Amino acid sequence: RKEVEQDPGPFNVPEGATVAFNCTYSNSASQSFFWYRQDCRKEPKLLMSVYSSGNEDGRFTAQLNRASQYISLLIRDSKLSDSATYLCVVRGNYGGSQGNLIFGKGTKLSVKP
Amino acid sequence: EAGVTQFPSHSVIEKGQTVTLRCDPISGHDNLYWYRRVMGKEIKFLLHFVKESKQDESGMPNNRFLAERTGGTYSTLKVQPAELEDSGVYFCASSQDWPSVNEKLFFGSGTQLSVL
Repeated sequence: RKEVEQDPGPFNVPEGATVAFNCTYSNSASQSFFWYRQDCRKEPKLLMSVYSSGNEDGRFTAQLNRASQYISLLIRDSKLSDSATYLCVVRGNYGGSQGNLIFGKGTKLSVKP
Repeated sequence: EAGVTQFPSHSVIEKGQTVTLRCDPISGHDNLYWYRRVMGKEIKFLLHFVKESKQDESGMPNNRFLAERTGGTYSTLKVQPAELEDSGVYFCASSQDWPSVNEKLFFGSGTQLSVL
């Protein structure tokens, strides 16, 4: 089983649509959770951290369910500029020390006019 | 402020040759990471420097890979001899707040390595 699993997509949606991405992680000791965005042939960039209480940043809402080891990202009112690959990222806690980032393969989103 | 810079952006070499990738972190960032994405796979951790010391090199695939960070500034990642399966994008990232759980990594734009 992959440590971080995501639906690869692609998700093809019209402008203005609401789209949701899901992600599951296998290590229950994981401590921190993130969504990164990666444009074609570019570096990953942090979109937002994900907190247990859920958090929102403008049109983006992230949720974490520790019991189910499940993370989600909701994008409302999609824009053309939202087209990218969205990476679910988890940081582990291995042996008591801060672990490195573990990436999912990413979910590709394409927003059409 | 300059971001994380990587050189070269692309490298095409033949199997058996040596290649050295360079990463300049954001000034003042003690933590430097190397990650790699091979085609069709997820981005994977290679190693982590704190200043000039290797904090974690558990992701290094084998002894053909050598990473250094002399002086705790820029880092190099040497692949010798390169094999076909080493092809991929090598990302460098830096941060200033490890081991905080809220550590934020800044990534460079990567080096696309093609081994023919």
